[in-house]
Amino acid sequence: AQSVAQPEDQVNVAEGNPLTVKCTYSVSGNPYLFWYVQYPNRGLQFLLKYITGDNLVKGSYGFEAEFNKSQTSFHLKKPSALVSDSALYFCAVRDYAGKSTFGDGTTLTVKP
Amino acid sequence: NAGVTQTPKFQVLKTGQSMTLQCAQDMNHEYMSWYRQDPGMGLRLIHYSVGAGITDQGEVPNGYNVSRSTTEDFPLRLLSAAPSQTSVYFCASRVNRVGGNTEAFFGQGTRLTVV
Repeated sequence: AQSVAQPEDQVNVAEGNPLTVKCTYSVSGNPYLFWYVQYPNRGLQFLLKYITGDNLVKGSYGFEAEFNKSQTSFHLKKPSALVSDSALYFCAVRDYAGKSTFGDGTTLTVKP
Repeated sequence: NAGVTQTPKFQVLKTGQSMTLQCAQDMNHEYMSWYRQDPGMGLRLIHYSVGAGITDQGEVPNGYNVSRSTTEDFPLRLLSAAPSQTSVYFCASRVNRVGGNTEAFFGQGTRLTVV
């Protein structure tokens, strides 16, 4: 069975500092990996995805993620955090058949 | 461009009542799905559909029914509400490309409380 682990429930960073939100996955075959962000009382919004090719994927709002096949990881990163980045972040994996599995989410808090 | 629209946004039900959560999308997406979001448990798939007339169960289907008579609409029915169904429900849609590598679009959610 496929799975996604987001090992940190909460990540706190200071504004202007780099941020990392971690994600590891388990899936049969080649993975399709996604990051979504959820602001309070809103639905999830797509940030970026890895399908194939370059291991460093760039997405919306300055976010990027690095795919590491040997470590089965897909960590979300941003070089300089903003207070407005504070939200709940979800990692998701999808197999070739189209089945998606989401992680439990990581709350990112960026302090001024 | 409305995207995915869910109604209602909030609902309180008494145990045993039934109701339908509505979901509509205007992007002509073949794939639609319903999730529930509970604290610390991420999103769990309830039911999904790959096109009009085709539905299937997800991870937690018990107590819920769905139908897909049109491409645009994918209602979720609670047959006899239970307190365990208190949750936030999200509808999502996406292009059903072979390989499943397209991103999903989510509605704003329905917050359901069963008392």
